[in-house]
This record gives sequence, structure tokens and C-alpha cells, in this order.
Amino acid sequence: AQKITQTQPGMFVQEKEAVTLDCTYDTSDQSYGLFWYKQPSSGEMIFLIYQGSYDEQNATEGRYSLNFQKARKSANLVISASQLGDSAMYFCAMREGSNDYKLSFGAGTTVTVRA
Amino acid sequence: KAGVTQTPRYLIKTRGQQVTLSCSPISGHRSVSWYQQTPGQGLQFLFEYFSETQRNKGNFPGRFSGRQFSNSRSEMNVSTLELGDSALYLCASSPVGGAEKAFFGQGTRLTVV
Repeated sequence: AQKITQTQPGMFVQEKEAVTLDCTYDTSDQSYGLFWYKQPSSGEMIFLIYQGSYDEQNATEGRYSLNFQKARKSANLVISASQLGDSAMYFCAMREGSNDYKLSFGAGTTVTVRA
Repeated sequence: KAGVTQTPRYLIKTRGQQVTLSCSPISGHRSVSWYQQTPGQGLQFLFEYFSETQRNKGNFPGRFSGRQFSNSRSEMNVSTLELGDSALYLCASSPVGGAEKAFFGQGTRLTVV
């Protein structure tokens, strides 16, 4: 079974608008962590934001925020005020357990920002 | 602070050859994980090393191996290359007790011809 599901293969967003990228996960562990990464065409995987399963508040990092709904097992990424440089592939990933450093990735969502 | 460094950035090899990729983690990080990214399979976990010991292994054939040195630098080796091994290979480093941190290098793009 897929541990991470990203249902949006591609999205278009207008510059300066906000965009929400969906991510649902599947785990039986109580302790886990959720990550979002950005991958431009150069290939580098850039860390954006992290949410721990025990974190009560939604994580925020600048223009990025994570809408964490634990009961629904969703961890959606919100990018506010989109910029042309935000055009990239975005991956949701999960670590399960407190000492397991393995990441399971979703299939990714391609975001294209239009001027 | 320098980031994760992977060398080489690009590599072209012939079927049947072997290849070694290198990853230098962020200073102070002792966990190094390797991932293979292909258009068909997406990002798949290969293995993770911590303090020179393999702690976790993904579902890859034995042709894929790795090791970690005392300075935390890691290498992965692929023997008897197949066309399907063409991929972007990414490594990630994490600090001790830092499961919330995972920083990636720029990757090595391997093409097998």
C-alpha cells in the first residue's frame, strides 16, 4: 500500500496567488514526521517544511505552511503569494517511528506558476 | 556551513560496468541515506548508514551496495550496470537525534548506455 499519496500530478497557479498541494499518508505508528521538498529541474531536493506527529501547531516557514489534519491523515502544503521561481516538482515524504531515518515519498506534484 | 556534496554530478557508464558514487554529509551529521529517482518508480530508498553501520536497507538487488567511513562520508556502488539503473541518485544527511532534519545533495545523474 502507498504510504504517501499525492493526487495532483500537475497544477497551474497565477503569480501572487496561493496554492495548496495535497498529501495524504498511511501509517500505524504514533510517532512520525512529514516533510515537503521542492525539486527544480536541476534535480536538487530542497527542504521546505517539517511537521512532527506530536506537534500541535501547524508548521510554517516563510511563505510555506503545512495544514496538518491528523485525524484525516493529511498534510497539505500551502504556498502563499506564488512566485515564478516556485515552478518545480513538490514531494511529500514521511518518516515513521522515532529512530527510523528512511523517507517514503509520494509521486510528486508539478507546479507551474504563470505570470 | 557547507551542504551535502555529491560527486560526480553526471556520469555515463556502459552496461556491465560498475560505478561508485560519493556523498559528503553536512558537517556533524552522521546519518546518510541514499535514494534512487526514476520517472517510472519515483523516489525509492536504497539504504541508510549511521556511524559506519548500515541501519536500514530498501528493496534493491545485491548489485547495489554502500559503505560509510569514519568521517561520515558515504559511497554507494552499483556493479554490473543495467540500462534500468539510469537514474538520479540522491543522498540525504541527518544529524544524531535529528529525525526532523533531512537535507539532500544535488544528486548524481547516472546514465547507462
